Amino acid sequence: AQSVAQPEDQVNVAEGNPLTVKCTYSVSGNPYLFWYVQYPNRGLQFLLKYITGDNLVKGSYGFEAEFNKSQTSFHLKKPSALVSDSALYFCAVTPPGGKLIFGQGTELSVKP
Amino acid sequence: DTGVSQDPRHKITKRGQNVTFRCDPISEHNRLYWYRQTLGQGPEFLTYFQNEAQLEKSRLLSDRFSAERPKGSFSTLEIQRTEQGDSAMYLCASSLGGIGNEKLFFGSGTQLSVL
Repeated sequence: AQSVAQPEDQVNVAEGNPLTVKCTYSVSGNPYLFWYVQYPNRGLQFLLKYITGDNLVKGSYGFEAEFNKSQTSFHLKKPSALVSDSALYFCAVTPPGGKLIFGQGTELSVKP
Repeated sequence: DTGVSQDPRHKITKRGQNVTFRCDPISEHNRLYWYRQTLGQGPEFLTYFQNEAQLEKSRLLSDRFSAERPKGSFSTLEIQRTEQGDSAMYLCASSLGGIGNEKLFFGSGTQLSVL
């Protein structure tokens, strides 16, 4: 069975500092990995995905994620955090052509 | 607006009543998904359709829940004899489907409160 773990319920970062939101996964075969963001009172928005190729994937709003097959991880990163990045972030995994299974989410708080 | 739309945005009901939610996906999308999200948790898969066929239903889903997509376009999710534990945000999403098209586009959700 496929699963996703986000070990941190909350991440606190000062504006301008780099941020990392962690995600590990378990899925048979080659996984497709996603990050979504949810702002208050808004629907989930797609940030980026990894399917194959370069392990470093770039997405929306300056976010990127690094796929590490040996560690089964797909951490979300941003070199310089903004206050407006404060939101709920979800990692998701699927086998090719399958349904997305989401992690429990990490609340990112960026303080000025 | 050509995104995924859900109706209603909010629903308050009394325990034991039936409720029905509607989802209109992006028009060219073949797949339609229902998820449920409670506070502090990630979206939990409920069921999905490929066109009008319901391909998978979560084993955790009670028999009180039923979903349809009769013409392969909009979908409805019905909850019969609602319980307080059904209170959650019900999310609909759509995608083109198939390998390489797993990206989901989400609606804003229907917030259900069962009193």
